[in-house]
Amino acid sequence: GAVVSQHPSRVICKSGTSVKIECRSLDFQATTMFWYRQFPKKSLMLMATSNEGSKATYEQGVEKDKFLINHASLTLSTLTVTSAHPEDSSFYICSARDGLAGGKQFFGPGTRLTVL
Amino acid sequence: GENVEQHPSTLSVQEGDSAVIKCTYSDSASNYFPWYKQELGKRPQLIIDIRSNVGEKKDQRIAVTLNKTAKHFSLHITETQPEDSAVYFCAANTGTASKLTFGTGTRLQVTL
Repeated sequence: GAVVSQHPSRVICKSGTSVKIECRSLDFQATTMFWYRQFPKKSLMLMATSNEGSKATYEQGVEKDKFLINHASLTLSTLTVTSAHPEDSSFYICSARDGLAGGKQFFGPGTRLTVL
Repeated sequence: GENVEQHPSTLSVQEGDSAVIKCTYSDSASNYFPWYKQELGKRPQLIIDIRSNVGEKKDQRIAVTLNKTAKHFSLHITETQPEDSAVYFCAANTGTASKLTFGTGTRLQVTL
């Protein structure tokens, strides 16, 4: 149980394009999902909290117009990196909170974004 | 907001020895403390967690202790094995959305 998938696993795009990343909870419903960014050999940096049916809550310093989050169902949240630039290249990981498991967070496998 | 500090940043132990990783947190309202293991290129995996109403929790070779007064918690791995080699992250919750603040990670290397 408590499986979270994330797609795509890798994406390479040209500067200026937009990239959408999907995060799905496969065997549980998640009213709350989280999006993190992880630089090489660094910790997980929370970008935003994705709330089903309402607007996402962004951490300080994260541009909401740059990183669009949609949480339209209890099993799917999407992160769209708009007008991507090379500095947006990173490992993006989502997690989903399982309310029936005491609120534990389970992570997706991550998406490695490379912007050329 | 919450601040989580983690030590050491790297830890090398011989197979069979114990490993201890320590974290401190700043927000006295935090009440949930999970530990994650991340292998290279993989997702963080929840290995154990503890809530503030208990002081210790054990699961086979892994244990976590919590000292609410001192605001610190520790991960203990006994009888370490090579497959325990990974980066370990502690975390503490904060806010009504149960978001987690992560420590900086500890790279554990178990040598033969």
